[in-house]
Amino acid sequence: QTVVTQEPSLTVSPGGTVTLTCASSTGAVTSGYSPNWFQQKPGQAPRALIYGTSNKHSWTPARFSGSLLGGKAALTLSGAQPEDEADYYCLLIYGGVGGVFGGGTKLTVL
Amino acid sequence: EVQLVESGGGLVQPGGSLRLSCAASGFTFSSYWMNWVRQAPGKGLEWVANINQDGSEKYYVDSVKGQFTISRDNAKNSLYLQMNSLRAEDTAVYYCVRGTIGVAGLDYWGQGTLVTVSS
Repeated sequence: QTVVTQEPSLTVSPGGTVTLTCASSTGAVTSGYSPNWFQQKPGQAPRALIYGTSNKHSWTPARFSGSLLGGKAALTLSGAQPEDEADYYCLLIYGGVGGVFGGGTKLTVL
Repeated sequence: EVQLVESGGGLVQPGGSLRLSCAASGFTFSSYWMNWVRQAPGKGLEWVANINQDGSEKYYVDSVKGQFTISRDNAKNSLYLQMNSLRAEDTAVYYCVRGTIGVAGLDYWGQGTLVTVSS
């Protein structure tokens, strides 16, 4: 069974930079897994931020960026805002047809 | 404006069945892969199933294979999830999610419908 691992929690100062990562139990994450990132605030549905490693949706704030870093997918937030406090989930797509979400990272802006 | 509106959730006894629906609007439904994603109370997201544009390809997470069936009706701009032999661990909010075009991914999410399996 494939497991996707994220940091359980991270803290960033307002205006600061933080990188969230997403690892696969099968080995290095490559662009072939088409990493996606989602933001979820309490009581709300998730909102898509990044797809295909680094592509932004039309609504994705410029301060969010996606990349591959040291064999993992990464989501970098530069210039954190209080409203960025949320849970963040990555999704890796295996075989191009099915996906596995990471366990999520609770990001605190403090 | 893209809208995905789920319905059909509710309380069901263990072993029972439920059919979820998702009404899509604001885009050409027949051009997109569609997905179901669920989230158990207080837990993370789990991809459940997806279906291609004409319904000829369907994929499921291992835990629901043989139990859930995804389908669509492009004439009605609707996505469905038939859930049988429901268990307590199927209790979750079920989201209808549109697939991206070109590069694999998910973009628009519905607000979800809660399924509670309990006696």
